[in-house]
Amino acid sequence: GAVVSQHPSWVICKSGTSVKIECRSLDFQATTMFWYRQFPKQSLMLMATSNEGSKATYEQGVEKDKFLINHASLTLSTLTVTSAHPEDSSFYICSARWGQETQYFGPGTRLLVL
Amino acid sequence: GDSVTQMEGPVTLSEEAFLTINCTYTATGYPSLFWYVQYPGEGLQLLLKATKADDKGSNKGFEATYRKETTSFHLEKGSVQVSDSAVYFCALGSAGNMLTFGGGTRLMVKP
Repeated sequence: GAVVSQHPSWVICKSGTSVKIECRSLDFQATTMFWYRQFPKQSLMLMATSNEGSKATYEQGVEKDKFLINHASLTLSTLTVTSAHPEDSSFYICSARWGQETQYFGPGTRLLVL
Repeated sequence: GDSVTQMEGPVTLSEEAFLTINCTYTATGYPSLFWYVQYPGEGLQLLLKATKADDKGSNKGFEATYRKETTSFHLEKGSVQVSDSAVYFCALGSAGNMLTFGGGTRLMVKP
């Protein structure tokens, strides 16, 4: 099946710093990438949808200036958590798809903000 | 709007027991239905899917049938293994294949 990678797999940072998470589709071109957030023992909550070459569409309640998304190419999207705070600590998961096909998920990035 | 409801866990079974995880949905139109599995510390993996009514998705011994009349997509496996311990998410794919997830059901299989 299609492979999606994320980097880093985990990151610890100090409050107030910014953290960038990369999502790559390794064996297909992703016209659309999605960013989800998952709190412990909870389901995935969609944060934003990004199409290559366009601005991301954010879900209600997600601050676009806080969570910067760039879909630079058909194989790479980045999520930058700006001025991170402890409440931003979470598991961030991306997914990617080609056209209207099935979404394939990355392994996730665990962020801990001290 | 679209929604997915799963049975709450955790579900604890002995090895080789029969598994059922209930999933019902509410949607407009004709959604696709999915089951994803999440192993500890990992992202989601697609387990199986069905794209239209009466379709049966199957993979690794797991099965689920798209029942439009009962708006359900229950996950079943005849004989679970310890390695099946994970969290299972039922999801609905609506227009544009945007996914709506259920709350997840944790399965624990004991030897």
